Amino acid sequence: EAGVAQSPRYKIIEKRQSVAFWCNPISGHATLYWYQQILGQGPKLLIQFQNNGVVDDSQLPKDRFSAERLKGVDSTLKIQPAKLEDSAVYLCASSLDWGRAHFYEQYFGPGTRLTVT
Amino acid sequence: TQLLEQSPQFLSIQEGENLTVYCNSSSVFSSLQWYRQEPGEGPVLLVTVVTGGEVKKLKRLTFQFGDARKDSSLHITAAQPGDTGLYLCAGERNNAGNMLTFGGGTRLMVKP
Repeated sequence: EAGVAQSPRYKIIEKRQSVAFWCNPISGHATLYWYQQILGQGPKLLIQFQNNGVVDDSQLPKDRFSAERLKGVDSTLKIQPAKLEDSAVYLCASSLDWGRAHFYEQYFGPGTRLTVT
Repeated sequence: TQLLEQSPQFLSIQEGENLTVYCNSSSVFSSLQWYRQEPGEGPVLLVTVVTGGEVKKLKRLTFQFGDARKDSSLHITAAQPGDTGLYLCAGERNNAGNMLTFGGGTRLMVKP
């Protein structure tokens, strides 16, 4: 079974530029997550999708970050304009489903390492 | 302030030693997961614990969920160089719908 795919793996941009990351979840997984992992910290959830709808985006800095999952499969995360503090690894994860009575395992992709100079 | 505090942050030990990593919070979690992350990769799930007081074993790794479901520990017996990595705990708060809050991680290095 193919895992979660992410691209690019590395990206270096200057501050105030824009950048986009792509994620293809495991086939059949309805739920998709984007996390930000700053060096030396644990991942922080940015946004959770169920199919093409947003379940939670309370920690997404909406003035500069946006994400979409238009067809309910792959997803893009965009930053515009980037700031120095956005330097981090952006992880995408997927799970079969989500629910309040059962925890569904999340499978993570390898991440995109973003450096903002 | 992190909702989940992990300790220690760093641990460097010799092969064959035992170690314990702690994950503490003042909040109650409906489930708690432990992950291991290697450089350049995403976290990989090791175990999920859901019941207060639950103990799970995975070869040389023993995981315990606190009685009050606020804390957890990971114990490794006879550590090996292959255990080197970043260990992360993550909790799902009650009725959070699969949303995880991660701790800051414990970076373990096991020297041969």
